This record gives sequence, C-alpha cells and structure tokens, in this order.
Amino acid sequence: GQQLNQSPQSMFIQEGEDVSMNCTSSSIFNTWLWYKQEPGEGPVLLIALYKAGELTSNGRLTAQFGITRKDSFLNISASIPSDVGIYFCAGHAGNQFYFGTGTSLTVIP
Amino acid sequence: NAGVTQTPKFQVLKTGQSMTLQCAQDMNHNSMYWYRQDPGMGLRLIYYSASEGTTDKGEVPNGYNVSRLNKREFSLRLESAAPSQTSVYFCATSWGPGSNYGYTFGSGTRLTVV
Repeated sequence: GQQLNQSPQSMFIQEGEDVSMNCTSSSIFNTWLWYKQEPGEGPVLLIALYKAGELTSNGRLTAQFGITRKDSFLNISASIPSDVGIYFCAGHAGNQFYFGTGTSLTVIP
Repeated sequence: NAGVTQTPKFQVLKTGQSMTLQCAQDMNHNSMYWYRQDPGMGLRLIYYSASEGTTDKGEVPNGYNVSRLNKREFSLRLESAAPSQTSVYFCATSWGPGSNYGYTFGSGTRLTVV
C-alpha cells in the first residue's frame, strides 16, 4: 500500500503552545484529510483539503494541502487539554484513502 | 442518529476460536470498510465492500472473511483466531469507492486473542 509518513510520532506540549505536524508521501494525492482519534473512540474527521495549496481552518486548527500534492500540514494554535489524542493524515488516490501512522499529542496543563 | 455502530466493543478469544464482528450503518453510504489498528502501524485495510453485493481484499486480508449482508451491514469473521489478530478493529463507511469526502468510523472493537 501507499506509505504516508507522519512526524513527529509523539509530542508533549504545555497548554497554550502551538502545535505543528506534517504528513509526507512519495505518491501524489488528490485529497488530504486530517482525523483526530480520542482514547477508546474511532477517528473523527477534522479537516478536508481538495486542492494543491489550499489552506483551510476549523477553529484553532489550520491545515494545508502541499503544493507538490505529496504532503500536508496541520497546525493547532493555543493548545488546550482536550486536544489530546492521535492525529492521523489520510491521502486519497484511486478508490481509497491511505492513512498515516499518527501523531500522538499530549497536552500538559 | 447512530452513524456507524460496531458490536461487540470488547472481546477476548482463545486461540482457535471463531467470532464475527458486526458493523451497521444508517448513513445510507454505499461503501464499507474494515480496518485494524495496531500500535505504530496506523490503520490497515483488511477488506472493503465498494457496494452491496461486492467485496474485495485490502492490504491484510489473511485470516479474515467478510460478508456484505445488505446495504447497511458488513461483518468481519475470524474463523480460527490467532494471537497476531489481537488488535482494535474499525468499521468505516463512505458514499462510494471514488468518494473523496472521507470515511465515517465506528468506535471500534477491541479484540484480544490469548
């Protein structure tokens, strides 16, 4: 399957700090998605990106579709304790989505 | 307004036992998927059903079978469970195989094989 590399694998940050994570691939995708998974739950869609260069916000979250179509970035501003979870990127190619291995975020109050 | 419902939520099996994981959706989506999630491995596709009446293998199908019972239901069967199948299993749905609107996930089944 397609390989999506997410970094960092984990982050421990203080409440109020900004967070940046990214997802890269050797393949081109026509859609990038970002999901959040809270403990004991399934992933929930946060942001969808459909065009190279697109920048989309959802509250304190901002994501960008890389211009090469091989990467995407997610930023969280002014983190709060409820931001804790695993963030997954997903790229769409052919007839399915391929998922990254996730970035685990811990927010220290 | 349940979305995607998976049962059971937790299960412990002995090696060699069989079981069926159930998934039902009320989204009126055409496509359904089964993933497994293991630490550090992300989500790996086991099987999918692009539409009612069709099923196809994903990345890691060995040891599993599926049935698309109708548009709403897609089940995953382990005929002879092995410890390597200890994982969290997620069912997901989408409008169609080419849809790029993303998947809706269930809350998962946590399976331990001892």
